[in-house]
Amino acid sequence: ETGVTQTPRHLVMGMTNKKSLKCEQHLGHNAMYWYKQSAKKPLELMFVYSLEERVENNSVPSRFSPECPNSSHLFLHLHTLQPEDSALYLCASSQDWGPEQTQYFGPGTRLLVL
Amino acid sequence: AQSVTQLDSQVPVFEEAPVELRCNYSSSVSVYLFWYVQYPNQGLQLLLKYLSGSTLVESINGFEAEFNKSQTSFHLRKPSVHISDTAEYFCAVSGGNAGNMLTFGGGTRLMVKP
Repeated sequence: ETGVTQTPRHLVMGMTNKKSLKCEQHLGHNAMYWYKQSAKKPLELMFVYSLEERVENNSVPSRFSPECPNSSHLFLHLHTLQPEDSALYLCASSQDWGPEQTQYFGPGTRLLVL
Repeated sequence: AQSVTQLDSQVPVFEEAPVELRCNYSSSVSVYLFWYVQYPNQGLQLLLKYLSGSTLVESINGFEAEFNKSQTSFHLRKPSVHISDTAEYFCAVSGGNAGNMLTFGGGTRLMVKP
């Protein structure tokens, strides 16, 4: 595997379920990101990890819980979601945390909350 | 707060015609500017970026963008499009008031028709 991979690619869950999204980067990068992409809205940054420490938490509800166990892996734990949380969730990585960095994106997990 | 405006949500164009996708940003200080492209069922990938130096930047597949500080614009152009250019294009900005965070515009869907 190369680049940034995400699993699962599709997920359907009820509002009372608990699930996790997984992201893995094979690029040796130090920063990883979670974004939410909803229809007709700009990409929204949710969380940023740099060197396995959370450096940004963009006013995200507590029903989304990120975890970064090492520099290659990033998880997004989901519980008691709402239908408006249905979206494409994109993971990205960059060499370092900085404004000039190019971000490399995974293909996303398309989430449907029923 | 930083903002990015992509005025056109959709741009239909015939194959081999020229195209311009418009991007304006709000910042009174120096920023870094990016164009990302998202093909169907894929994540975003960098098309080109402006960090400093020459205001005209080019990509390997014939796109170019010009940084215009006085008009706070970073429009994307291609003199002759192909069917394979059909995708969604996102303008983004970092630095300035937003610091390390990448702020995206709403996206422009380029639809190339035969």
